[in-house]
Amino acid sequence: SSELTQDPAVSVALGQTVRITCRGDSLRSYYASWFQQKPGQAPVLVIFGQNSRPSGIPDRFSGSSSGTSASLTITGTQAEDEADYYCNSRDSSGSHYVFGPGTRVTVL
Amino acid sequence: EVQLVESGGGLVQPGGSLRLSCAASGFAFSTYEMNWVRQAPGKGLEWVSYISRSGSTIDYADSVKGRFTISRDNANNSLFLQMNSLRAEDTAVYYCARRGDLAHDIWGQGTMVTVSS
Repeated sequence: SSELTQDPAVSVALGQTVRITCRGDSLRSYYASWFQQKPGQAPVLVIFGQNSRPSGIPDRFSGSSSGTSASLTITGTQAEDEADYYCNSRDSSGSHYVFGPGTRVTVL
Repeated sequence: EVQLVESGGGLVQPGGSLRLSCAASGFAFSTYEMNWVRQAPGKGLEWVSYISRSGSTIDYADSVKGRFTISRDNANNSLFLQMNSLRAEDTAVYYCARRGDLAHDIWGQGTMVTVSS
């Protein structure tokens, strides 16, 4: 079982806001990063650190954290945002990396 | 262009071996930590292994420890994963990923490994 937990799925209406949450004890000490993965494609980093976006990632993606939770928010969700989203951080020992089980975002 | 390209995947029988390669280009490979991450069909991402810039520090997930060996050749901008004693549960797409500041920021397209008789 993963040391990070995520809700399996969430749906959002086109143009609305969706928040995806990742929970784990290690998040109290380490930042989460967030990846978007579309079918048949490699994961793409969308948020890292406190709330940083790699070059090319739209500013509708944002991140936040509090205690043992981290969140990815998509504001003004677009059809192309439909994908699986994974959080990633270190495990509670700090020695290994761990991924959350993923959240499937469906855009209605 | 910053790029990672994996190769070496294929079909192998249980108990067999396979060596994956990851060719890096467009960045100073020796200055980055590297990782392997895998994804079983229809499943989520699983971190597999880590190697430091010089190769002096290495780490593995418990699921592969003692069977897989990570290595790198900084002179030739390459990352490797030697996989021995393969099991059906090792069937997955294997990705190499660059560790940038605070995150795995660049990923390859992945190479498929199928362990089956």
